Amino acid sequence: GAGVSQSPRYKVTKRGQDVTLRCDPISSHATLYWYQQALGQGPEFLTYFNYEAQPDKSGLPSDRFSAERPEGSISTLTIQRTEQRDSAMYRCASSLYSGDSYNEQFFGPGTRLTVL
Amino acid sequence: LAKTTQPISMDSYEGQEVNITCSHNNIATNDYITWYQQFPSQGPRFIIQGYKTKVTNEVASLFIPADRKSSTLSLPRVSLSDTAVYYCLVGFSSGTYKYIFGTGTRLKVLA
Repeated sequence: GAGVSQSPRYKVTKRGQDVTLRCDPISSHATLYWYQQALGQGPEFLTYFNYEAQPDKSGLPSDRFSAERPEGSISTLTIQRTEQRDSAMYRCASSLYSGDSYNEQFFGPGTRLTVL
Repeated sequence: LAKTTQPISMDSYEGQEVNITCSHNNIATNDYITWYQQFPSQGPRFIIQGYKTKVTNEVASLFIPADRKSSTLSLPRVSLSDTAVYYCLVGFSSGTYKYIFGTGTRLKVLA
């Protein structure tokens, strides 16, 4: 696609519910990243994928958070049993393959999650 | 795992040159230094990237000293539209690439 897209753009849920956020990266990009950004703060790394492999998920806040990218393109971030502290902007980014070097990340518009 | 450190905020006037410094004491040999710009309600946008010495593109310059423990983003002749948050990003290659944004510097350009 022309850019990184994310859906939904806004999600309001009740505490205890599960939510799934979707990211559709730039089609030629092998690497995909997930970040959490609280209001007024910088993006916090959650995890990343090279194709379908997930080399690092140490940034996921708890085992309630999980991410998948089964076919190496679209990715989902799932938060189980949501808590109010999960409220934040969730940003997805993609780049050319970043196995041993850094490549520019292109960010999507984000999903604003509000947990009531 | 070291984090990057930047000034929290800076003010400047239109037409001035702005320099924002980021410290990254534990940068690894293979790590690149990248700067991003973020406007309210938008995702970060790439500005410039470098490994050592000086890099220049059409919007900014990046100065990196020999020890690479810091870097300085230079914005020439800023305008009101440069008001944004600027992040320093260093990739840490300790087995995997965990990308950590700095604290961000909130630049306000005044008329």
